[in-house]
Amino acid sequence: AQTVTQSQPEMSVQEAETVTLSCTYDTSENNYYLFWYKQPPSRQMILVIRQEAYKQQNATENRFSVNFQKAAKSFSLKISDSQLGDTAMYFCAFMNLPIGDMRFGAGTRLTVKP
Amino acid sequence: DSGVTQTPKHLITATGQRVTLRCSPRSGDLSVYWYQQSLDQGLQFLIQYYNGEERAKGNILERFSAQQFPDLHSELNLSSLELGDSALYFCASSVVGGNYGYTFGSGTRLTVV
Repeated sequence: AQTVTQSQPEMSVQEAETVTLSCTYDTSENNYYLFWYKQPPSRQMILVIRQEAYKQQNATENRFSVNFQKAAKSFSLKISDSQLGDTAMYFCAFMNLPIGDMRFGAGTRLTVKP
Repeated sequence: DSGVTQTPKHLITATGQRVTLRCSPRSGDLSVYWYQQSLDQGLQFLIQYYNGEERAKGNILERFSAQQFPDLHSELNLSSLELGDSALYFCASSVVGGNYGYTFGSGTRLTVV
């Protein structure tokens, strides 16, 4: 079974600085997708970024980027120019095909301080 | 508004009771997924449906069941409720395999007293 591990239960960062959240996963599959979701205090789950395993290029969405290391099974999220609105739980998620059921890590609680 | 509608938003019920949670997927999405999030924990995958058929099952208790109807809405039935079933239940939907990610509803907060 695929497992997703987020080793940092809590992190904090000063506004405007950069922070990196870690995620590792375990799979024997070769075709899969990785995601980062954000859950603010409203509890809504919001997709931040996705990565296709067969693409070597790291995904980027505005201030959010990933460092995808397939051999190491690592998928970290970098948030640049942190904003107060980035305060949330961040979940790393793995999905393999063809079934497509997504499995989540335990989450990292990020606090952006003014 | 994500386009995925979950009702009710809040539900308080007693132990031993049965409840039904409802989910309407985003327009055009054929796959529906159910997740359970206990207090300050991650999301546990319960079950997945695609176009009315069960496609994958996670750690779903035998007291729980689900179905997806011809109009693609889905219901999650929870019976013989226990205090430990108190959680936030999310429904999500996607186009077919979900490789572009899921769209989540706002969740149903279930409290068992």
